[in-house]
Amino acid sequence: DGGITQSPKYLFRKEGQNVTLSCEQNLNHDAMYWYRQDPGQGLRLIYYSQIVNDFQKGDIAEGYSVSREKKESFPLTVTSAQKNPTAFYLCASKAERGGNEQFFGPGTRLTVL
Amino acid sequence: EDQVTQSPEALRLQEGESSSLNCSYTVSGLRGLFWYRQDPGKGPEFLFTLYSAGEEKEKERLKATLTKKESFLHITAPKPEDSATYLCAVHRSNDYKLSFGAGTTVTVRA
Repeated sequence: DGGITQSPKYLFRKEGQNVTLSCEQNLNHDAMYWYRQDPGQGLRLIYYSQIVNDFQKGDIAEGYSVSREKKESFPLTVTSAQKNPTAFYLCASKAERGGNEQFFGPGTRLTVL
Repeated sequence: EDQVTQSPEALRLQEGESSSLNCSYTVSGLRGLFWYRQDPGKGPEFLFTLYSAGEEKEKERLKATLTKKESFLHITAPKPEDSATYLCAVHRSNDYKLSFGAGTTVTVRA
């Protein structure tokens, strides 16, 4: 089955730690995205990548970093510089051709202890 | 800046009681409007894309419509399994991101 996988489902971080969230897709999509979801707010874009070895900051990139070394993978690192990292993190991908709809993974819930 | 406002924030329906959700948007050069369904603790599931005013799309008990300023998601004779949060997003021309509304949480009671 084609789709997007995210791991882990739940992640706990201590103050001052960096953590990395995994996102893998086998849809052969070129573009990949990371969003953050907080209660009562719309999804906010953290980073996006339209092609391997290239990525751009979204609206709330401070305290986060990404890499795109392979088409299938777009990991997100939440650094200690992110002051309020507790949130639900969603990865999405989009095909280069066809409609502009993005398809989402199941999400990772990050909690700071 | 793009603005997407969804109303109401929450909607409680009796099974079979039809209703509509609203998504108002302000965007220059709309390239597409998207509806997603999100169950608690899960990622959004794509429902529809609308591209131009007057367009309509249907899927089972859901029907999405689009005008120049807003979109409606009509739920006809809802069932408890239609309970979810419904998200609206817009895509602006010459941009690569979607702008999302905060969502409408629908609860359908049997």
